[in-house]
Amino acid sequence: GAGVSQTPSNKVTEKGKYVELRCDPISGHTALYWYRQSLGQGPEFLIYFQGTGAADDSGLPNDRFFAVRPEGSVSTLKIQRTERGDSAVYLCASSLTFDGRTLFVPQQFFGPGTRLTVL
Amino acid sequence: QKEVEQDPGPLSVPEGAIVSLNCTYSNSAFQYFMWYRQYSRKGPELLMYTYSSGNKEDGRFTAQVDKSSKYISLFIRDSQPSDSATYLCAMADTGRRALTFGSGTRLQVQP
Repeated sequence: GAGVSQTPSNKVTEKGKYVELRCDPISGHTALYWYRQSLGQGPEFLIYFQGTGAADDSGLPNDRFFAVRPEGSVSTLKIQRTERGDSAVYLCASSLTFDGRTLFVPQQFFGPGTRLTVL
Repeated sequence: QKEVEQDPGPLSVPEGAIVSLNCTYSNSAFQYFMWYRQYSRKGPELLMYTYSSGNKEDGRFTAQVDKSSKYISLFIRDSQPSDSATYLCAMADTGRRALTFGSGTRLQVQP
């Protein structure tokens, strides 16, 4: 597809359950980001992948959160033992790493998000 | 105190008005300044970005950065009802690719 896609669009789960959220980035984008957006707030950074490796995971709130990108394309955000406070929209973004002129490409392209509700 | 502060609004203006949206920030390492537009239940969409201080214009949109005051602005000329959305400022430094967002300003353009 032309843009970043995320599945599912909505996920309702019960407290204590495990969930997986999937992100399919724009083809050719080597950088992938996960953000979390609570109601009335801006997105908050969770983790950044460069290729297959997590280059910056400083935004992950605790060890219940984990993300993988095994083949350098699709990424999965995994949340264990979900809590009601995890309810939010989880956004994925992708970008080029190098645009031919600069090693820093600030433009990140966002997907529509997965709305997670923990009951 | 948050690194990036943004008035949440809502800001209501008549069609055709000039809109001014603003953010202040505290981290002097920020070098890249972006404005995103977010419609309800959609992901943020990049409108413009600027590097360091100065102005940048794109159609009806003008972005201004004043690093000495740690203050950025987005101006929308001839506002349209389709501009009704939440506008998010975002910032980054070259040492870290993560974006730091403001909380967003909700704009309503009345026909």
